[in-house]
Parts: sequence; C-alpha cells; structure tokens
Amino acid sequence: IAGITQAPTSQILAAGRRMTLRCTQDMRHNAMYWYRQDLGLGLRLIHYSNTAGTTGKGEVPDGYSVSRANTDDFPLTLASAVPSQTSVYFCASSSGETSTDTQYFGPGTRLTVL
Amino acid sequence: AQTVTQSQPEMSVQEAETVTLSCTYDTSESDYYLFWYKQPPSRQMILVIRQEAYKQQNATENRFSVNFQKAAKSFSLKISDSQLGDAAMYFCALYNFNKFYFGSGTKLNVKP
Repeated sequence: IAGITQAPTSQILAAGRRMTLRCTQDMRHNAMYWYRQDLGLGLRLIHYSNTAGTTGKGEVPDGYSVSRANTDDFPLTLASAVPSQTSVYFCASSSGETSTDTQYFGPGTRLTVL
Repeated sequence: AQTVTQSQPEMSVQEAETVTLSCTYDTSESDYYLFWYKQPPSRQMILVIRQEAYKQQNATENRFSVNFQKAAKSFSLKISDSQLGDAAMYFCALYNFNKFYFGSGTKLNVKP
C-alpha cells in the first residue's frame, strides 16, 4: 500500500505556464486536501474535497483549481503560474467518516515558478 | 475564525533532555481536535500525537505527551529523553469541520 503519492517530486516552471500537480491515494479516503507550505507560514489550505464530485475553497484558493472525478485522484491545477506560487505543495487525505479525522500527507511537490 | 500560533520559531535541546514546544489556538467551537505533526528534512508530515477537545486527560504517546489547557486554549508538546531523530520542524494544528489550521512551526534542534 503506497498511501498517498504526489507527482512530480519537484518542478521548475516558467511564469504563465499551466501546471497540474497530481495526487493519488489508495486508502479509499473520502476527503482530500491541498496545502501549500511557505517558510514562516506553516501549511495553508488551498482547496479541499469532502467526497468525490465535490470541492471547496480553503484559505488561499486564488490561482488554483481542483477536480475530484473519483475517490482516488485529486489534481491541483495552476492555470497560469506566477512566481508567488513558488512553494512546496502537500496533498493529504482523511477517511472523512467523522468530523475529527486524522489527515495523512503525501511527500510533497516542490514547485519553482520563474 | 480559527488560528494557531507557535511563538517559538526555533528551539534546541540536549540529547536525553526534555523540551516543551508551545502552541496556542483560537476557536469558537467546542468540538475540535488538536494535533502535533513532525516534519523531518525528508519533508514527510508525520503525526506525532492527537488530543480530543472533549477529553480532559492529556494524550501520551511513548516519549511524547501534551499539556492541554482548554480554558487557556493552550496545547504544548513535551518530548522526553530527546533523541537525535527528534530533530525536525514541529507543527501544531487545530481540526474542525473537516479543515486543518496549522501554526507556523517550531524547528527543533537536538544537540549530541
């Protein structure tokens, strides 16, 4: 069992380009999340999905979009990347069966926008 | 609004000694969970310990324990018998309504 996988591990991207970060979990978790981690700011929630077919905005959603076509996958898309989106991105999931679940995190994607 | 504050950006502890990391939070909810996550240089986020807000008893996991003061909205992490492998960033987090709110982290250095 892999848990949560993210791809790519790291990426350097030119400003204005479109980029999709991939996230897949094999735990059949209902809820999935995307965070960005910046020095001194901890992790900030970008978007989340409580179940397949639904998504919601987190603390810093601007410039990002997500989709949840099935239970396992939760891609994050940057339609037109900007340098301020340089960050480490973490995908996470939880079973979603209770309101107080533990989240499990993927290994992260380091994105640099030049 | 939910906020989590870690006022110690960096701390150091001697191997085998005890260290306490501080965390305060703010929420208007009565039902929530609190977590400590560890992030070593490998970048992986690892759950250290969790505390249910409705439980008065402090959670303990081996060398890790918390001091949960609900009225003061304080949730500190105590690491006993510190080991070199404990060196990492530690994040305090508040969870309710399917969302996590993280503090800015405390970098823990362990000196041999």
